[in-house]
Amino acid sequence: AQSVTQLGSHVSVSEGALVLLRCNYSSSVPPYLFWYVQYPNQGLQLLLKYTSAATLVKGINGFEAEFKKSETSFHLTKPSAHMSDAAEYFCAVSDRQAGTALIFGKGTTLSVSS
Amino acid sequence: EAGVAQSPRYKIIEKRQSVAFWCNPISGHATLYWYQQILGQGPKLLIQFQNNGVVDDSQLPKDRFSAERLKGVDSTLKIQPAKLEDSAVYLCASSLGTGRSWETQYFGPGTRLLVL
Repeated sequence: AQSVTQLGSHVSVSEGALVLLRCNYSSSVPPYLFWYVQYPNQGLQLLLKYTSAATLVKGINGFEAEFKKSETSFHLTKPSAHMSDAAEYFCAVSDRQAGTALIFGKGTTLSVSS
Repeated sequence: EAGVAQSPRYKIIEKRQSVAFWCNPISGHATLYWYQQILGQGPKLLIQFQNNGVVDDSQLPKDRFSAERLKGVDSTLKIQPAKLEDSAVYLCASSLGTGRSWETQYFGPGTRLLVL
């Protein structure tokens, strides 16, 4: 069965610092991969997704993620954190063979200090 | 374009009571999902509809949870009777429904349920 592991339930950075949120998946067949962001009391919003067209995926708000098959990883990065980036981030996978429902990781809360 | 609408936003009930949540997906979206998000965890799929048919309800506790999507548009999720462990945020999402696993799901704001 597919699973997603997000390393670090809480990440703290200073404004202007690099943001790195880690995501590893377990699957013998590379799945489709997604990063969603959730602001307090709001639903999830798609940041970016990997659909096998390119290994480096650029998303909204300056975020990007790189698919590395050899490491079964899809880490999310942003060169310079902004206060507005403080939120909870979820990595998710969709099994190419099993359908369209998403399997989510437990999430990583990003805190940004001034 | 209007997003996914959910109501109510918050609900507090006592255990053994019943509760219902409503979802209106984005117009034209054939696929509708209900996810349960327990505090500190990622969302977990409860049920998936394609138009008004059930695609996947393998993780739905059918002894107490039920869901329907009449006419392939709005959907209702019901819990009867509720247990303490049902306290969670219930998220509704919709997608175009092309059947491709990479298609984007659009989420509503969720209904936060507290069972006392």
